[in-house]
Amino acid sequence: EDKVVQSPLSLVVHEGDTVTLNCSYEVTNFRSLLWYKQEKKAPTFLFMLTSSGIEKKSGRLSSILDKKELFSILNITATQTGDSAIYLCAHNQAGTALIFGKGTTLSVSS
Amino acid sequence: ETGVTQTPRHLVMGMTNKKSLKCEQHLGHNAMYWYKQSAKKPLELMFVYNFKEQTENNSVPSRFSPECPNSSHLFLHLHTLQPEDSALYLCASSQGGRGNTGELFFGEGSRLTVL
Repeated sequence: EDKVVQSPLSLVVHEGDTVTLNCSYEVTNFRSLLWYKQEKKAPTFLFMLTSSGIEKKSGRLSSILDKKELFSILNITATQTGDSAIYLCAHNQAGTALIFGKGTTLSVSS
Repeated sequence: ETGVTQTPRHLVMGMTNKKSLKCEQHLGHNAMYWYKQSAKKPLELMFVYNFKEQTENNSVPSRFSPECPNSSHLFLHLHTLQPEDSALYLCASSQGGRGNTGELFFGEGSRLTVL
């Protein structure tokens, strides 16, 4: 049974579109929720969220966490071809390593 | 450059071979991890080492044998693998103990193909 569920699993958009990626998780000793971007090999860190309702922002990317409803979203505005990647969501529980979802594969066409 | 280096980047081996994957981190971290990434599956945690001690073994078959000689180096010894073991093997590191914020720093991965 998946503990971290991401949707959609894949998405194709045109440059300039805005996309919203979803991540829901089970809660057991919640510590944080993390987003990573994986372009070719090494996943690279985007955001860590620990508190509900506080938006984290980096350029055209932003993310927010809802600890009551157990989900997070990652928004990308004005998408570019360089945003094409797999976006991974991971749940950090106390006492264990990160548990990842299957990822959302985003393809941005020009 | 993430500060976590994995070698080899690509490996092809037969089912009777013995090989090893190597990971080295230059970030001063105390925890190191092996993850397996297969197509259409989530990243699967395999092993965790904190301060050189194995703290997690996620029901990994014994044909995978980890070794952590110090906090900067992690190996994954492979023997008598199966074709379904073909995957991208990712090493990661993080601050261990109370300094652990959860953020992992990943290497580029070793792409393994078992024939």
